[in-house]
Amino acid sequence: GAVVSQHPSRVICKSGTSVKIECRSLDFQATTMFWYRQFPKQSLMLMATSNEGSKATYEQGVEKDKFLINHASLTLSTLTVTSAHPEDSSFYICSAPTGSWYQETQYFGPGTRLLVL
Amino acid sequence: KQEVTQIPAALSVPEGENLVLNCSFTDSAIYNLQWFRQDPGKGLTSLLLIQSSQREQTSGRLNASLDKSSGRSTLYIAASQPGDSATYLCAVLNSGGSNYKLTFGKGTLLTVNP
Repeated sequence: GAVVSQHPSRVICKSGTSVKIECRSLDFQATTMFWYRQFPKQSLMLMATSNEGSKATYEQGVEKDKFLINHASLTLSTLTVTSAHPEDSSFYICSAPTGSWYQETQYFGPGTRLLVL
Repeated sequence: KQEVTQIPAALSVPEGENLVLNCSFTDSAIYNLQWFRQDPGKGLTSLLLIQSSQREQTSGRLNASLDKSSGRSTLYIAASQPGDSATYLCAVLNSGGSNYKLTFGKGTLLTVNP
């Protein structure tokens, strides 16, 4: 199946710094990618939809200026957590559908564990 | 707003047992329903995808059914093995305004004891 990678897999940072997480589709092109956040023992919550060449669409309650998304190419989307605080500590996962994605499964990255001290 | 509920939240069974995981959703206007597996600290692995027009899908020891009108799906695992231990997530795909959106349940934590 299709492969989606994320980098880094784990990051620890100080409060107030910014962290960039990359999501890459390795063997297919993705005009759309999705960013999720998962807190311990909770489900995945969609944060935003990343669209290649246009602005991301954010879910209600997600701060656009705090979680910057850039989808500059058909194989790369980045999520930057700006001025991170301890409450931003979470597991961030991206996904990308292939083809006509409402008919096909989405492929998920392995996730990035963020810890803000 | 779509809501997805999974029951039970946790399940522990002896190896070899057949088991059923349940998923229900509030908005039946879905495009498809997917079952995923998540190992601790890892991403998601797709297990089965059922289109809204389908009733069930099978892959090896896994069988998923979909009753769209009643908003229910089940994942049946036959002859469970310790390697099946993981969290199983159910997700439905809806149209979310200008974009499509996957809504996840909280998952069922399955432990298969040798």
